Amino acid sequence: DADVTQTPRNRITKTGKRIMLECSQTKGHDRMYWYRQDPGLGLRLIYYSFDVKDINKGEISDGYSVSRQAQAKFSLSLESAIPNQTALYFCATSDFPGTMKQFFGPGTRLTVL
Amino acid sequence: DQQVKQNSPSLSVQEGRISILNCDYTNSMFDYFLWYKKYPAEGPTFLISISSIKDKNEDGRFTVFLNKSAKHLSLHIVPSQPGDSAVYFCAARDGYGNKLVFGAGTILRVKS
Repeated sequence: DADVTQTPRNRITKTGKRIMLECSQTKGHDRMYWYRQDPGLGLRLIYYSFDVKDINKGEISDGYSVSRQAQAKFSLSLESAIPNQTALYFCATSDFPGTMKQFFGPGTRLTVL
Repeated sequence: DQQVKQNSPSLSVQEGRISILNCDYTNSMFDYFLWYKKYPAEGPTFLISISSIKDKNEDGRFTVFLNKSAKHLSLHIVPSQPGDSAVYFCAARDGYGNKLVFGAGTILRVKS
């Protein structure tokens, strides 16, 4: 079984709709991250969380919000989706103190029409 | 302002030859560097890493070299195999140990 799972794997939605992407992990890691991947821009950090009570903005948090429901669950929401949020979204976990080696989920391909 | 740069969007190499992927960084506070490999429809997976106090780390066919004075690292794959065809991301850990900064990635194609 996968250690980091993401649902849905693919989603097509319309401008203005609210959408939630979910991430679950069985690695027992405290730290969780949300990234988006765009061609030519690599992976950019949206939000990260070091425990259930700790949420931090990444470099591109505008238009996104997150919820850390439990150690194992970290959700990303787009309150009102727009076309330039079309991207591949990845959830990741890491141990601490560790080396920051991160373990990624399989990704969610989101298309906003 | 990209703090981690992979200036080659793609690289094509013949099977059996060496692949060299390059990465430059600007932030001298980065203290740990990692390479990730990504296949289509999958998440990135960790490949190899190096601490800033070292200049080389080797794992099988993969070797990472770090030149701190030049703020440059490279990943060598010898010999290259068709299964190595993937996108390779360079990443750097910030000095606080809180997060990674990724480069844009390099697409490696190994031709058989």
